[in-house]
Amino acid sequence: GEDVEQSLFLSVREGDSSVINCTYTDSSSTYLYWYKQEPGAGLQLLTYIFSNMDMKQDQRLTVLLNKKDKHLSLRIADTQTGDSAIYFCADYYQKVTFGTGTKLQVIP
Amino acid sequence: EPEVTQTPSHQVTQMGQEVILRCVPISNHLYFYWYRQILGQKVEFLVSFYNNEISEKSEIFDDQFSVERPDGSNFTLKIRSTKLEDSAMYFCASSDNRNSPLHFGNGTRLTVT
Repeated sequence: GEDVEQSLFLSVREGDSSVINCTYTDSSSTYLYWYKQEPGAGLQLLTYIFSNMDMKQDQRLTVLLNKKDKHLSLRIADTQTGDSAIYFCADYYQKVTFGTGTKLQVIP
Repeated sequence: EPEVTQTPSHQVTQMGQEVILRCVPISNHLYFYWYRQILGQKVEFLVSFYNNEISEKSEIFDDQFSVERPDGSNFTLKIRSTKLEDSAMYFCASSDNRNSPLHFGNGTRLTVT
């Protein structure tokens, strides 16, 4: 079955860039998503990319997709303390499958 | 911006009791979903619903679970006889078509004692 994997934890200093990585196994994935979850809150859609794209930029967020390697990354430029959260990547083929989540800690 | 709303935000129930978790999807959305997240674990797919019937369900979604769209706005998840291991955050989501991103509610934290 499909599987989506992420590293569990990332710590960065405020103002630096954060890069959160994700790998997936389902080559039929049509969309790949990034969701943000703050403590006690729901899943907020940050951005998504079609599987036929390589890159998408949205303000401080840059998504890179390497379809050959089934690797997705989310870069957050100028990381702020308010970016501290758990970030989930997810792929879509018939249903959305979530990764394990990466906890981003931003140090002031 | 329209959003998915879920009630209650926290539900405590005793083992063996029935619970109904409620969701109001975004009004023009046609596809509805339930996911759950056991504390510290992955967000897991439970069920998808379209055109008044289940489109797909996971192996977690056994006979204990059911979904319903009782009227034009609500989407409910019923757990018939709760077990301790049903304790989790339950998220409702909706989308306007099959290939659109899912929009999630803030979840209902279910605690089974």
